[in-house]
Amino acid sequence: DTGVSQDPRHKITKRGQNVTFRCDPISEHNRLYWYRQTLGQGPEFLTYFQNEAQLEKSRLLSDRFSAERPKGSFSTLEIQRTEQGDSAMYLCASSLSLGREYEQYFGPGTRLTVT
Amino acid sequence: AQTVTQSQPEMSVQEAETVTLSCTYDTSESNYYLFWYKQPPSRQMILVIRQEAYKQQNATENRFSVNFQKAAKSFSLKISDSQLGDTAMYFCAYVSSNTGKLIFGQGTTLQVKP
Repeated sequence: DTGVSQDPRHKITKRGQNVTFRCDPISEHNRLYWYRQTLGQGPEFLTYFQNEAQLEKSRLLSDRFSAERPKGSFSTLEIQRTEQGDSAMYLCASSLSLGREYEQYFGPGTRLTVT
Repeated sequence: AQTVTQSQPEMSVQEAETVTLSCTYDTSESNYYLFWYKQPPSRQMILVIRQEAYKQQNATENRFSVNFQKAAKSFSLKISDSQLGDTAMYFCAYVSSNTGKLIFGQGTTLQVKP
Protein backbone atom coordinates (compact mmCIF):
# COMPACT_ATOMS: atom_id res chain seq x y z
CA ASP A 1 0.00 0.00 0.00
CA THR A 2 1.84 3.07 -1.22
CA GLY A 3 1.14 6.41 0.40
CA VAL A 4 0.09 9.71 -1.09
CA SER A 5 2.63 11.03 -3.56
CA GLN A 6 3.13 14.54 -4.88
CA ASP A 7 5.13 15.87 -7.77
CA PRO A 8 7.24 17.93 -7.94
CA ARG A 9 8.61 18.15 -4.42
CA HIS A 10 10.05 21.59 -5.02
CA LYS A 11 9.22 24.26 -7.57
CA ILE A 12 10.88 27.62 -8.05
CA THR A 13 9.17 29.94 -10.46
CA LYS A 14 9.19 33.59 -11.42
CA ARG A 15 6.31 35.85 -10.61
CA GLY A 16 3.68 35.75 -13.31
CA GLN A 17 4.39 32.21 -14.45
CA ASN A 18 1.90 29.35 -14.25
CA VAL A 19 2.63 26.22 -12.23
CA THR A 20 0.90 22.86 -11.94
CA PHE A 21 1.24 20.31 -9.16
CA ARG A 22 0.15 16.70 -9.18
CA CYS A 23 -1.14 14.49 -6.38
CA ASP A 24 -1.65 10.74 -6.47
CA PRO A 25 -3.78 9.52 -3.55
CA ILE A 26 -3.75 6.16 -1.84
CA SER A 27 -5.33 3.86 -4.41
CA GLU A 28 -8.54 2.93 -2.61
CA HIS A 29 -9.20 6.45 -1.30
CA ASN A 30 -11.90 8.34 -3.17
CA ARG A 31 -11.60 11.62 -1.28
CA LEU A 32 -8.74 13.98 -2.10
CA TYR A 33 -7.90 17.26 -0.38
CA TRP A 34 -5.59 20.18 -1.06
CA TYR A 35 -4.16 22.36 1.71
CA ARG A 36 -1.68 25.21 1.81
CA GLN A 37 0.84 25.63 4.62
CA THR A 38 3.04 28.64 5.21
CA LEU A 39 6.14 28.46 7.37
CA GLY A 40 5.40 27.83 11.03
CA GLN A 41 1.63 27.67 10.53
CA GLY A 42 -0.98 24.96 10.36
CA PRO A 43 -2.28 23.88 6.95
CA GLU A 44 -5.27 25.73 5.54
CA PHE A 45 -7.94 23.97 3.53
CA LEU A 46 -8.18 24.85 -0.17
CA THR A 47 -10.51 22.32 -1.79
CA TYR A 48 -11.60 18.71 -1.86
CA PHE A 49 -12.93 16.10 -4.23
CA GLN A 50 -15.01 13.01 -3.82
CA ASN A 51 -14.22 10.91 -6.85
CA GLU A 52 -14.15 13.44 -9.70
CA ALA A 53 -16.59 15.90 -8.12
CA GLN A 54 -15.18 19.00 -6.47
CA LEU A 55 -17.38 19.35 -3.41
CA GLU A 56 -16.00 22.37 -1.62
CA LYS A 57 -13.66 25.27 -2.32
CA SER A 58 -12.24 27.68 0.21
CA ARG A 59 -12.44 31.42 -0.36
CA LEU A 60 -8.64 31.19 -0.21
CA LEU A 61 -8.85 29.59 -3.63
CA SER A 62 -8.84 32.70 -5.80
CA ASP A 63 -9.71 32.62 -9.48
CA ARG A 64 -6.02 32.12 -10.24
CA PHE A 65 -6.22 28.68 -8.64
CA SER A 66 -7.90 25.70 -10.25
CA ALA A 67 -7.99 22.07 -9.25
CA GLU A 68 -9.12 19.04 -11.18
CA ARG A 69 -9.53 15.35 -10.64
CA PRO A 70 -10.69 14.22 -14.07
CA LYS A 71 -10.94 10.47 -13.58
CA GLY A 72 -11.34 10.33 -9.85
CA SER A 73 -7.76 9.22 -9.36
CA PHE A 74 -4.91 11.75 -9.42
CA SER A 75 -5.51 15.46 -9.04
CA THR A 76 -3.79 18.58 -10.33
CA LEU A 77 -3.63 22.02 -8.77
CA GLU A 78 -2.77 24.87 -11.12
CA ILE A 79 -1.81 28.38 -10.10
CA GLN A 80 -1.89 30.97 -12.85
CA ARG A 81 0.04 34.24 -12.82
CA THR A 82 1.88 33.33 -9.63
CA GLU A 83 2.50 35.99 -7.00
CA GLN A 84 5.09 36.07 -4.22
CA GLY A 85 2.31 35.50 -1.71
CA ASP A 86 1.69 32.10 -3.29
CA SER A 87 5.00 30.85 -1.89
CA ALA A 88 4.06 28.03 0.47
CA MET A 89 3.96 24.28 0.90
CA TYR A 90 1.03 22.72 -0.97
CA LEU A 91 -0.16 19.56 0.70
CA CYS A 92 -2.38 16.85 -0.66
CA ALA A 93 -4.25 14.34 1.48
CA SER A 94 -6.62 11.48 0.81
CA SER A 95 -9.19 9.48 2.71
CA LEU A 96 -11.95 6.97 2.30
CA SER A 97 -15.55 8.20 1.99
CA LEU A 98 -17.01 5.50 4.20
CA GLY A 99 -15.80 4.06 7.45
CA ARG A 100 -12.68 5.86 8.53
CA GLU A 101 -13.44 8.72 6.15
CA TYR A 102 -12.25 11.38 8.52
CA GLU A 103 -8.72 10.05 8.69
CA GLN A 104 -6.73 11.95 6.12
CA TYR A 105 -3.28 10.80 5.05
CA PHE A 106 -0.90 13.41 3.74
CA GLY A 107 1.67 13.43 0.99
CA PRO A 108 5.12 15.00 1.34
CA GLY A 109 4.00 18.29 -0.17
CA THR A 110 5.21 20.53 -2.98
CA ARG A 111 7.19 23.52 -1.81
CA LEU A 112 6.60 26.50 -4.11
CA THR A 113 8.93 29.47 -4.15
CA VAL A 114 7.91 32.44 -6.26
CA THR A 115 10.77 34.85 -6.97
CA ALA B 1 -17.18 28.88 12.33
CA GLN B 2 -15.05 26.25 13.95
CA THR B 3 -11.68 27.25 15.37
CA VAL B 4 -8.78 25.35 16.91
CA THR B 5 -6.31 26.98 19.29
CA GLN B 6 -2.95 25.72 20.47
CA SER B 7 -1.61 28.14 23.04
CA GLN B 8 1.87 26.65 23.44
CA PRO B 9 4.07 27.64 20.48
CA GLU B 10 7.08 25.72 21.82
CA MET B 11 7.73 23.08 24.41
CA SER B 12 10.64 20.92 25.45
CA VAL B 13 10.95 17.70 27.43
CA GLN B 14 13.76 15.45 28.54
CA GLU B 15 14.03 12.06 26.92
CA ALA B 16 11.96 9.39 28.74
CA GLU B 17 9.77 11.96 30.47
CA THR B 18 6.12 12.78 29.88
CA VAL B 19 4.79 15.91 28.18
CA THR B 20 1.28 17.22 27.55
CA LEU B 21 0.35 19.44 24.62
CA SER B 22 -2.81 21.55 24.92
CA CYS B 23 -5.56 22.20 22.40
CA THR B 24 -8.93 23.89 22.65
CA TYR B 25 -11.55 24.20 19.97
CA ASP B 26 -14.80 25.97 19.38
CA THR B 27 -17.81 24.51 17.62
CA SER B 28 -21.56 24.41 17.84
CA GLU B 29 -21.73 20.98 16.23
CA SER B 30 -22.35 17.83 18.18
CA ASN B 31 -20.80 15.28 15.85
CA TYR B 32 -17.16 15.77 14.96
CA TYR B 33 -13.70 14.25 15.13
CA LEU B 34 -10.46 15.48 16.59
CA PHE B 35 -6.94 14.55 15.61
CA TRP B 36 -3.33 15.10 16.51
CA TYR B 37 -0.87 15.17 13.62
CA LYS B 38 2.91 15.16 13.86
CA GLN B 39 5.13 16.95 11.33
CA PRO B 40 8.85 16.21 11.80
CA PRO B 41 11.31 18.77 10.40
CA SER B 42 11.19 18.70 6.60
CA ARG B 43 9.06 15.57 6.62
CA GLN B 44 5.45 14.84 5.94
CA MET B 45 2.44 15.07 8.23
CA ILE B 46 1.70 11.88 10.13
CA LEU B 47 -1.58 11.02 11.85
CA VAL B 48 -0.86 10.29 15.53
CA ILE B 49 -4.24 9.73 17.13
CA ARG B 50 -7.95 10.37 16.58
CA GLN B 51 -10.95 10.88 18.86
CA GLU B 52 -14.61 10.67 17.95
CA ALA B 53 -16.69 13.26 19.81
CA TYR B 54 -19.44 10.74 20.58
CA LYS B 55 -17.02 8.48 22.45
CA GLN B 56 -16.42 9.23 26.10
CA GLN B 57 -13.38 6.98 26.34
CA ASN B 58 -10.10 8.72 25.67
CA ALA B 59 -8.13 7.37 22.71
CA THR B 60 -4.75 5.72 23.23
CA GLU B 61 -2.09 4.70 20.72
CA ASN B 62 0.98 3.17 22.37
CA ARG B 63 2.82 6.06 24.09
CA PHE B 64 0.28 8.63 22.91
CA SER B 65 -2.99 9.31 24.69
CA VAL B 66 -5.52 12.11 24.76
CA ASN B 67 -7.56 13.83 27.43
CA PHE B 68 -10.83 14.73 25.74
CA GLN B 69 -13.07 17.06 27.72
CA LYS B 70 -16.09 17.64 25.49
CA ALA B 71 -17.89 20.15 27.71
CA ALA B 72 -14.74 22.21 28.07
CA LYS B 73 -13.88 21.75 24.38
CA SER B 74 -10.42 20.65 25.31
CA PHE B 75 -8.30 17.97 23.62
CA SER B 76 -4.80 17.54 24.99
CA LEU B 77 -2.14 15.07 23.87
CA LYS B 78 0.05 13.24 26.35
CA ILE B 79 3.30 11.69 25.18
CA SER B 80 4.79 9.21 27.63
CA ASP B 81 8.40 8.02 27.65
CA SER B 82 9.39 10.74 25.17
CA GLN B 83 11.88 9.72 22.51
CA LEU B 84 14.23 11.82 20.39
CA GLY B 85 12.16 10.86 17.35
CA ASP B 86 9.16 12.62 18.87
CA THR B 87 10.81 15.96 18.08
CA ALA B 88 8.41 17.58 15.66
CA MET B 89 5.67 20.14 15.23
CA TYR B 90 2.35 18.84 16.53
CA PHE B 91 -0.96 20.02 15.15
CA CYS B 92 -4.37 19.60 16.69
CA ALA B 93 -7.12 19.37 14.07
CA TYR B 94 -10.91 19.27 13.89
CA VAL B 95 -13.26 17.89 11.28
CA SER B 96 -17.03 17.95 11.40
CA SER B 97 -19.18 15.11 10.20
CA ASN B 98 -20.80 17.50 7.70
CA THR B 99 -17.65 18.49 5.84
CA GLY B 100 -14.45 16.73 4.98
CA LYS B 101 -12.04 19.53 5.66
CA LEU B 102 -9.58 19.59 8.51
CA ILE B 103 -9.24 22.77 10.56
CA PHE B 104 -5.81 22.98 12.13
CA GLY B 105 -4.41 24.81 15.11
CA GLN B 106 -1.26 26.89 14.88
CA GLY B 107 0.94 24.04 16.03
CA THR B 108 3.27 23.34 18.95
CA THR B 109 6.94 22.71 18.32
CA LEU B 110 8.17 19.96 20.64
CA GLN B 111 11.86 19.44 21.30
CA VAL B 112 12.91 16.23 23.04
CA LYS B 113 16.29 16.68 24.70
CA PRO B 114 18.75 13.86 25.37
